[in-house]
Formats: sequence, C-alpha cells, structure tokens
Amino acid sequence: NAGVTQTPKFQVLKTGQSMTLQCAQDMNHEYMSWYRQDPGMGLRLIHYSVGAGITDQGEVPNGYNVSRSTTEDFPLRLLSAAPSQTSVYFCASRAGTSGRTNEQFFGPGTRLTVL
Amino acid sequence: AQSVTQLGSHVSVSEGALVLLRCNYSSSVPPYLFWYVQYPNQGLQLLLKYTSAATLVKGINGFEAEFKKSETSFHLTKPSAHMSDAAEYFCAVSSGGYQKVTFGIGTKLQVIP
Repeated sequence: NAGVTQTPKFQVLKTGQSMTLQCAQDMNHEYMSWYRQDPGMGLRLIHYSVGAGITDQGEVPNGYNVSRSTTEDFPLRLLSAAPSQTSVYFCASRAGTSGRTNEQFFGPGTRLTVL
Repeated sequence: AQSVTQLGSHVSVSEGALVLLRCNYSSSVPPYLFWYVQYPNQGLQLLLKYTSAATLVKGINGFEAEFKKSETSFHLTKPSAHMSDAAEYFCAVSSGGYQKVTFGIGTKLQVIP
C-alpha cells in the first residue's frame, strides 16, 4: 500500500492564482481531511469528508473548496490564492468516521508559497 | 468544546536523559488522546493513543504516556533520549464525532550529544 499520497510536494503561486492540491489514499478509508500547519499554531482542520459525496467545513475553511467523488481521492482547491495561505498542507485519512479511537494516517505534505 | 495545551514549544535534552513532553487537555466528555511525531519534512505518524483501556500507554520507539484524569494530563515520556528522537511532537484530543480531533501547537525536541 502506498498509504496517503499528496502532489505536488512544493508549489509557488502568485496572488490570485488558483490551484488544486491532490490527495489520494489506497486504504479504503471512509474519512479524509485536510489540515494546514503553521509555525506556532499546530495543525488546523480545513475541510473533511466522511465518505464519497459528503464533505464539511473544519476550523479554517475560507478560501478553500473540496469535493469527494470517490473514496480514494480528496482534492483541495484554492480558489484565489492569498499570501495568508502560505503554509504546509497535510492530507490525512482514517478508517471509520469516529475520531475517538482510530489513528489518522498522514501524507507527506505540500509546501505552498503564495507571493 | 475540547482543547489541548502543550507546555513548551521547544525542549532540549541531553542524549541518554529523560524525555518529558507535557500535554494538558480540556474536554466536556471522556477524551481519547493521541501523541503524534513529525520528523523533518515528513507527515505525522502515530506514537501512541489512549482509548480508556489502560491509563499507562506504551507506544513505539520506547515512548509511553500516562493518562491522569485528576490532572487532565497526558504527558509523554521516554527514559533515555536518542539522537533519532529529535522531531516535533503533537498531542491531540478527540471527544467524539466525525471531525473533532484537536491538535496542540507542537513541541520540538532537540537532543544534544
């Protein structure tokens, strides 16, 4: 199993550009999520999905869109990039929808810089 | 509502010394608690988790953590630090529901030879 994969690993955008961060998992996990990691702020949840066709907002959803057309894929779209979106983005997945007992598996991250 | 407080954003220990990383939580219901480790330029991976079965939890790489309800704490310890333990460590709490896993801000562990 490849686990959770993310592409690209690095990206530089100009303010106002749009792009999609890709995330895929091959573990047949129901739950997938996107976090951003910023110095001194830990990981903050952007959006999550509990299954194909079902998504919801997390703590910091503004400026981001998601969709979940298949169990495997959960892309994150930046609609109009802003410097405040400069961050490291992590995709994660877990079996089942309960956050209580199941560990999350994280991808290697995408380092995004918005100029 | 739930929250996690990690005391000390940076901790330095000598190789062979005790590692103690502090985590306090707040939760309105019995919590489930996790410690994750992040090595440079990598994603997070699970070290250990508390799911109410036992208060002392053993994880990978010689780490363990003890759940203390009276102190609302879940501190991470390792008896003897190794150079390879240098990483960032995140405590996380879940009080149930789909999305509710809240991460602390992280503690960077430096191991001095």
